[in-house]
Amino acid sequence: AQSVTQLDSQVPVFEEAPVELRCNYSSSVSVYLFWYVQYPNQGLQLLLKYLSGSTLVKGINGFEAEFNKSQTSFHLRKPSVHISDTAEYFCARIQGAQKLVFGQGTRLTINP
Amino acid sequence: DTEVTQTPKHLVMGMTNKKSLKCEQHMGHRAMYWYKQKAKKPPELMFVYSYEKLSINESVPSRFSPECPNSSLLNLHLHALQPEDSALYLCASSQVGITDTQYFGPGTRLTVL
Repeated sequence: AQSVTQLDSQVPVFEEAPVELRCNYSSSVSVYLFWYVQYPNQGLQLLLKYLSGSTLVKGINGFEAEFNKSQTSFHLRKPSVHISDTAEYFCARIQGAQKLVFGQGTRLTINP
Repeated sequence: DTEVTQTPKHLVMGMTNKKSLKCEQHMGHRAMYWYKQKAKKPPELMFVYSYEKLSINESVPSRFSPECPNSSLLNLHLHALQPEDSALYLCASSQVGITDTQYFGPGTRLTVL
């Protein structure tokens, strides 16, 4: 089955430091990848998505991700985090028609 | 407006109760979804409706019964649930294309006693 793997269950960083959240995917002919964020007690919000074209994808809230076909990775980055970025981050891909399959999630905690 | 609303926010029910979860969107989306999210786990797809017809059922037990009465509304009818069904139930909507963004509601937190 097509899947995504998030390599870190928790990532602690200091405020204003850069952060990278890692995601690897199982290779297939077509790959559509997403990053979602879930703030405490809320639903999921799309940060960015890769469908085709440029491998560097810009998203909301200063986040970006790079699609790397040779490494089968889609890591999420932000150059300077804020306390408000504390949340659970999910990498996801489309499997078949319309089915979103999520990684296990990475909890980002920001220390002042 | 990119809002998906869900009611109620919280629901506590006994194993013999019948209850319903409701989801509404006014973005003109023709695909709607139910996901189940257990604590500290990712969401898992339960059902997909496309053009008000059930298109995906991820082998969900029959005690969960989805309904899509029109293109804006999605219900999930619950009956004879088990304590292990306690979870956050998320609704989402999107256009019908497979790469279209799914917009999620805030969820209903269900506790089964």
